[in-house]
Amino acid sequence: DAKTTQPPSMDCAEGRAANLPCNHSTISGNEYVYWYRQIHSQGPQYIIHGLKNNETNEMASLIITEDRKSSTLILPHATLRDTAVYYCISRPGASGTASKLTFGTGTRLQVTL
Amino acid sequence: SQTIHQWPATLVQPVGSPLSLECTVEGTSNPNLYWYRQAAGRGLQLLFYSVGIGQISSEVPQNLSASRPQDRQFILSSKKLLLSDSGFYLCAWSSSAPGNTIYFGEGSWLTVV
Repeated sequence: DAKTTQPPSMDCAEGRAANLPCNHSTISGNEYVYWYRQIHSQGPQYIIHGLKNNETNEMASLIITEDRKSSTLILPHATLRDTAVYYCISRPGASGTASKLTFGTGTRLQVTL
Repeated sequence: SQTIHQWPATLVQPVGSPLSLECTVEGTSNPNLYWYRQAAGRGLQLLFYSVGIGQISSEVPQNLSASRPQDRQFILSSKKLLLSDSGFYLCAWSSSAPGNTIYFGEGSWLTVV
C-alpha cells in the first residue's frame, strides 16, 4: 500500500471550513484514497473515499489532485464534535487479502470556539 | 442495514489470565472480518483478518489468536495475557466486493495488570 503523510495537528475555528491535507505521492493507479476519523475512545468512523474524481457526501468533500499525488478532506462547517484524529489511507480496490487498511498517525484536528 | 458489535467494552485482566473478545456482524453474509489493536497514543495495527469461516491470516506474531467459528462471528483470544497486550482492540468488517469500505466496531479496552 502507498504511504501517506499528514500534518500531525491542525486547528480550526468553529463554523469555518476545515481543510485537511494528505500527501500520497507513491499512490498507484488502482489505489483508492480513504478518510476515517477517530474520536477519543471510539472506533474509527468512515468518512469518504475516492479514486480520482472529487467526491462529496453528507459529512465531507474529498478533493483529489489531477496527478493523484495528494488530496484534501474538507469539512465545510466544522463543529466542536468534529474534533478528532483524521486518517488518510491509500488502499487497493481489490477484495480479499488486498483490502486491508494500514493506518498512519493521522492529523489531530482541534475545533475551537 | 449492517451493524457490528463487539464485547466486552472494557475489561481488566491479570497477567497470565486468558482472554476472549467477541465480535458479531449483522445484516450481511460472508463478510471480511478484521481485528486491530491500538496501543495508547499509537496508530492502529492490523492483527488478524479473515475472508471466510475457519480462514484466519495473522499479520504480526504475538500472544494472541483469532477464530471464526461462524460466518459473522470473529473471536480474539489469548491463553495467557502479557502486560504488553493492553490496548484498545477493534473489530471491523467489510463486504467481499472489490473496493469495499471497512467499518469498525465500538472497540474494547483491555488493561492487563
